[in-house]
Amino acid sequence: VQLVESGGGVVQPGKSLRLSCAGSGFSFSYHGMHWVRQAPGKGLEWVAGISTDESRKDYAESVKGRFTISRDKSTNTVYLEMRSLRGEDTGVYYCAKDLRAYQQWLADWGQGTLVTVSA
Amino acid sequence: DVQMTQSPSPLSASIGDRVTIACRPTQSIGSFLNWYQQKPGKAPKLLIYAASTLHSGVPSRFSGSGSGNDFTLTINGLEPEDFATYFCQQTYIAPFTFGPGTKVDI
Repeated sequence: VQLVESGGGVVQPGKSLRLSCAGSGFSFSYHGMHWVRQAPGKGLEWVAGISTDESRKDYAESVKGRFTISRDKSTNTVYLEMRSLRGEDTGVYYCAKDLRAYQQWLADWGQGTLVTVSA
Repeated sequence: DVQMTQSPSPLSASIGDRVTIACRPTQSIGSFLNWYQQKPGKAPKLLIYAASTLHSGVPSRFSGSGSGNDFTLTINGLEPEDFATYFCQQTYIAPFTFGPGTKVDI
C-alpha cells in the first residue's frame, strides 16, 4: 500500500488550494478515504472522509462549507479542495485509507503534505 | 461534536513497565474507538480499532478495552520503540474526533 500526497505549499489567507492523494498497491474502489491534519506541535484533527460509493462525505465543523472531499476511481486519487483558507488551516495534511468501505479505521497513511497559510 | 479526553499526559515510564492510557468521550460511543501511535515526524499508525481489535502486525503487548464512556489502551512490557504519542479517536458519529494525545516518555 502506498499513499502519496501532493499539492501542499504556501498560500495567502482567503485563497484556495487542492490537495491530491494517489493510492496504489490496493483496490482503491473498496476502501473509504480520509484526510487528517496536524498543526505544528499539535495533535491530530480529522478533517474529512468519503465512502467507497461517495454516498457519505463527512467534514469537521471547522472546515464544513469551505473544504470538499472527492475521489476519482479512474486514477485512484482522493482530493481535498480547500477554499477560503485561514491561518488555522496551517499544518501537515495526511491522507489515510480506511480498512473497510467506511468504518473510519485509518489503517494506512501517507507521508503528509505541508500547507502553510500566511500573508 | 463528541469531545475526547485522555489521561495522563504526559506519562513517564520505564522499559518493561505496564502502561495504561485512559480515553473518555463526552457521550457514550459503544465500542466505536480507535487507538493510534505517532512518533515525531512520522504519520500515525493504527494500533487498535473497535475498542479492542488488534490491527494486523501490531505486537500483542498492545491491548484495548472498554466501551461506552471509558476506554483504556494498555502496553504490557514497554519496549524502547513504544516511546511515542498515543491518540484515541471516536468513530461513533461524524466528525470523527481525536483525543489530545498522551506522550509516553522516559
